[in-house]
Formats: sequence, C-alpha cells, structure tokens
Amino acid sequence: NAGVTQTPKFQVLKTGQSMTLQCAQDMNHNSMYWYRQDPGMGLRLIYYSASEGTTDKGEVPNGYNVSRLNKREFSLRLESAAPSQTSVYFCASSVTGGSTVEKLFFGSGTQLSVL
Amino acid sequence: GQSLEQPSEVTAVEGAIVQINCTYQTSGFYGLSWYQQHDGGAPTFLSYNALDGLEETGRFSSFLSRSDSYGYLLLQELQMKDSASYFCAVRVFLSSGSARQLTFGSGTQLTVLP
Repeated sequence: NAGVTQTPKFQVLKTGQSMTLQCAQDMNHNSMYWYRQDPGMGLRLIYYSASEGTTDKGEVPNGYNVSRLNKREFSLRLESAAPSQTSVYFCASSVTGGSTVEKLFFGSGTQLSVL
Repeated sequence: GQSLEQPSEVTAVEGAIVQINCTYQTSGFYGLSWYQQHDGGAPTFLSYNALDGLEETGRFSSFLSRSDSYGYLLLQELQMKDSASYFCAVRVFLSSGSARQLTFGSGTQLTVLP
C-alpha cells in the first residue's frame, strides 16, 4: 500500500540551480496535484493535472513547470531555484467526479531549502 | 473574493471536547472538507460535508451550515495524539484554471494538554 510516493524527502539547492521533484501514485487516480506549504499559510496549489496528458496552473505557478508523464507520475520542476521557493512540497492525488473528488491523498512531502 | 477563516491556535486538555470553526467566502460552494496534519507529516483527509448538518466519524464530527457559510470540526474525548494542525478546505475556481480546485485555510494548531 504505497499510495503517493514523493522523492526526494529533503533537498538543498543553491540559487539558480534546477531540480525535479518526482511523484508517483498507485491508486489509479486520474487527478494529481502539487502543493507548497509555508509556515502559517496552509497549502497553496502550484499545478494540477485532471487527467493524463493535461496540466493546469494553480494559485502559485510562477517559477515552476510540471509534466504528467503517465497516469501514475506527475513531476514538478524548478528551472532556476530562488530562496522564495524554500518550502515543503506535497504531491497529492484523487479520483475525479462525485463527492469523492474532495478526498485528496498526499505524499509525505519534500523539504526544499534554496540558499 | 474568496477566503477561509479559522483560528490559528486552540488548546484543550485530554478528555475534553474542542470545536474548530471555519468560515468561508466563495463564489459558489461545493462542500467543506477537513484535513489533519501532524508535525512533519502529510495532510490526511478527515471529513467532507456537502449538505447542511452533522457528519460523525468516531470521535470526530463535522458540521456545515451553508446559509451561514460556516462549518466546524468537533473533536471529542481528546487524546494526546490529536495534537496536530487542522485545515478546512473548499473547492474554488482559480483565475488561471477552468475547474474548481481545493483551497485550504491557514490551519488551526490544536494542542492537547495532559
């Protein structure tokens, strides 16, 4: 029962470096999401993918790109990291349609520090 | 605009009952969700109310009043392990997207004292 798996768990970058956060789910969910969480600010949606082959911007997409590689995998890329991107990143997935769409399953998170 | 308001902190003693309130302002409403997050952990789904009234799941209950744009999470028989952050969430339209997406409040840190 892996659920949603994120890698890496921790990462330190220097300003300007790039990196990709990986996410995979084994629950056959159509929808996948990337959120960031900063102290006292709750979770903010970066990008989401309602189904394989589609991606859309969320609330805070600037500085990020995403790829929905297949139904299982949804990656988040920082092309040129900035200190403002220091945060905890969570990947999540859900079924699509009906009331069950409200139930998101989250990965364990990636703590990213940009120096 | 759209917003979610919940208290930043709540403290209670073991065995007590605590209520965490959430008021929302959205253009259109599809339901109120609650998530729990322990320190260093991932958010986990607790409950979802689409209609007015009380939903009970064990020691946790969630209430919704759509006419008041208000809901709450009720935790009974508090245990030390209930110390965590609790987030309310609603599905809203984002200016950049075509479908409603889940938006979270800033969270309420619950501390359970022995």
